[in-house]
Order: sequence, then structure tokens, then C-alpha cells
Amino acid sequence: AQSVTQLGSHVSVSEGALVLLRCNYSSSVPPYLFWYVQYPNQGLQLLLKYTSAATLVKGINGFEAEFKKSETSFHLTKPSAHMSDAAEYFCAVNDYKLSFGAGTTVTVRA
Amino acid sequence: NAGVTQTPKFRVLKTGQSMTLLCAQDMNHEYMYWYRQDPGMGLRLIHYSVGEGTTAKGEVPDGYNVSRLKKQNFLLGLESAAPSQTSVYFCASSRQGATRNQPQHFGDGTRLSIL
Repeated sequence: AQSVTQLGSHVSVSEGALVLLRCNYSSSVPPYLFWYVQYPNQGLQLLLKYTSAATLVKGINGFEAEFKKSETSFHLTKPSAHMSDAAEYFCAVNDYKLSFGAGTTVTVRA
Repeated sequence: NAGVTQTPKFRVLKTGQSMTLLCAQDMNHEYMYWYRQDPGMGLRLIHYSVGEGTTAKGEVPDGYNVSRLKKQNFLLGLESAAPSQTSVYFCASSRQGATRNQPQHFGDGTRLSIL
């Protein structure tokens, strides 16, 4: 069985501030983890994925995520938020079927 | 290269009506999926297909049927629409999942309202 918990349904940050989105997972097998982003009225786009090659994964648009097995976490960060980062972000774990977290909506204040 | 295309983009139905949502992908992917997205619940898998002519139930299959007669197309049907099926529906596809690191590619969604 697998599940994903995203802590915080809404995150508000100032432009230029750190973005931190939290994701914890449970999985009965070594996990394959993903972060997706969804802009308004669009489908989901892949930000990055963890496939066991490296614990720190770099994605598109300056985002990165760190896999911590001991904490069963895969938190997403970006050092400096931009207005264009306003979107909804989903963490997902793949145990032959993809299971999504409930999502975190990010708003960026000017 | 269009990727995953969903039609229609919007639709309003009356309770009891039927309709079919079409998903087409041009990436030669083996796997295709239908999800529904509801506020605060993320995406939930309705049905999926691991190849032409095959389908399987996902997490929330009741009230829906699917068909995969051609590799590039995956159809989602509502035989008798209910207000609880008001949602945004997403189709996705991925390469064959011998390893679990294959990302899914999503369409832009179909916004369906059942009155």
C-alpha cells in the first residue's frame, strides 16, 4: 500500500523568498517519487522525479527536492520565488500506479 | 507534437444523460489513464489501460466505463450522469512501466458539470 501526505494545502510566500513544500510518503516497496505542477486551467507537468540515483534531485524552473529515507520525505524547494511559480503542486508516489497527494496551492506576493 | 489531447474541453450535462470523453496521444505510449480531480482530493484514478484492448479498474471506477480499441485512444464513458460526477477529468499516458520511474504525460483536462 502507498500513500502521500502533503502538509499544508496553501502556502503564501513573498517574491524572492524560499519556497518549501512538504511531502511525506508511505510505500511497501522502494519508492519512485514525483513532483508535478499544475497551472490554472492546465494539466499536470512533471517538475522532477526521484529514481534512487541521487537523493537530491534537480528539476525544471529552479526547483529541487531531497529524498530522505529515514524521514520518508521528499520535500520540494526553490531558493527564490518568482511570480510565475504561483500554481498548485502535487507530490506523487509510483507503486505501479501513481498515487497523488491532495496538492498545495502556492501564491506569491509581490 | 501534440502530446495528450482531450476532447471536449468543457461540457454541461443533465442528470441521466450519457457522454463519452475522448483522449488521444501521439507518443506511442503503452499505458493510458483516466483521473478525476476534485478540490482538496488530488487526482484519483478511475480506470487505466496497459495496452490496446485491455482495461482495468482504478480507485474510483463506479459509474464509468472505458475502452481502448486503438493504442492511441482511450475513451471514458458515463452511461447515466450523476451530479457527483461533476469534476475535472484528466487523461494521461506513459511508456511501458517495466520500471516505475516513467512519468505520466497529462492532457489539459475536461471540465464536466452535471446539473
